[in-house]
Amino acid sequence: GAVVSQHPSRVICKSGTSVKIECRSLDFQATTMFWYRQFPKQSLMLMATSNEGSKATYEQGVEKDKFLINHASLTLSTLTVTSAHPEDSSFYICSARGQSQKETQYFGPGTRLLVL
Amino acid sequence: RKEVEQDPGPFNVPEGATVAFNCTYSNSASQSFFWYRQDCRKEPKLLMSVYSSGNEDGRFTAQLNRASQYISLLIRDSKLSDSATYLCVVNIWSSASKIIFGSGTRLSIRP
Repeated sequence: GAVVSQHPSRVICKSGTSVKIECRSLDFQATTMFWYRQFPKQSLMLMATSNEGSKATYEQGVEKDKFLINHASLTLSTLTVTSAHPEDSSFYICSARGQSQKETQYFGPGTRLLVL
Repeated sequence: RKEVEQDPGPFNVPEGATVAFNCTYSNSASQSFFWYRQDCRKEPKLLMSVYSSGNEDGRFTAQLNRASQYISLLIRDSKLSDSATYLCVVNIWSSASKIIFGSGTRLSIRP
């Protein structure tokens, strides 16, 4: 199957700092990328959907100014958690999909964020 | 009502048993369906797509009932390695395609 990477895999930061997470599709062009957040023992919650070259669509309750998403190329999307707080500590997972809505999405390995 | 609902479990069954999970969805615009498996502290991995005619992959069988808006997953001859959380996933095709995850069903296989 297709490969999606995320970097970093784990990050610990101080409250108030910003953290950037990268999501890359390594062997296909990802027209659409999704960002999810998963708290312990809960399911994945979609945060936003980004299409290459356009603004991300955020889910209700997700602050677009706090979670900045950039999808500048067909192989890279970034999520920046600005002014992170302890409640932002979570498992952030990206996924990528090709051009067709019918295509399977492939997940990155996730990034564990701990804000102290 | 949640868009995708699953019994959270946990299901605790002996090795070799057959276990079935159901998942219901509320959006009739839902067009494609999947089962994903997620191991503890790892990302979800695609287990199988679910087709209208039903499909089988080894010990796993998936069924879709569009009229009743539910999908199912059957695992036969369960193995210890099947222990995981199984996520029901619905892809809604519309002007803004959206993929919705169920909350997952935890399965634990005991020796």
